[in-house]
Amino acid sequence: QKEVEQNSGPLSVPEGAIASLNCTYSDRVSQSFFWYRQYSGKSPELIMSIYSNGDKEDGRFTAQLNKASQYVSLLIRDSQPSDSATYLCAVWGPYNTNAGKSTFGDGTTLTVKP
Amino acid sequence: GAVVSQHPSRVICKSGTSVKIECRSLDFQATTMFWYRQFPKKSLMLMATSNEGSKATYEQGVEKDKFLINHASLTLSTLTVTSAHPEDSSFYICSARVRIAGGLFTDTQYFGPGTRLTVL
Repeated sequence: QKEVEQNSGPLSVPEGAIASLNCTYSDRVSQSFFWYRQYSGKSPELIMSIYSNGDKEDGRFTAQLNKASQYVSLLIRDSQPSDSATYLCAVWGPYNTNAGKSTFGDGTTLTVKP
Repeated sequence: GAVVSQHPSRVICKSGTSVKIECRSLDFQATTMFWYRQFPKKSLMLMATSNEGSKATYEQGVEKDKFLINHASLTLSTLTVTSAHPEDSSFYICSARVRIAGGLFTDTQYFGPGTRLTVL
């Protein structure tokens, strides 16, 4: 079992729809969770971080975390063609130690069709 | 967010030469930086963790004598690909760890723009 798992996709949604991206992780002591967006040929760009159970909203993006289920998701409302990219889920651990590092999922490719 | 730069953005070299890639944190001090490589349409692969003033920690399977990492200051880490070969051609990306204090420390990671290495 991979430490961080994502559906590889591709996920295709029409413009204006809600895109839902999912991620599960295996290490129960993980404390910090991130979503990155990566356009083709570019490096990852941080779009959301979440540390506590529940929802966190930032503009059209909402991250949801459920530590009991070891599940984190990203919702993109009013999807735009410019949202077409690969979305990487990252889990940071162990908490607050110099040995900490991120484990990345393989990414979900999202295509928003006009 | 924090800004991380990388130089060069693109390099083409002949087989057998060495290539140095610089990673800088521009508006903050980074005690920890990470080096990744990524092949086309593949996921990020962590190569090593670079800590200021100490030896880098390499991931399993990464040759430390081939990929030399130096983190001489709080704002600069370098990766040198020694005796590069065509199979080393890849997208190399650095990132810097930022610790945000807000009651509890939280760690966030910001990426540089990447360096595309092509070895002929």
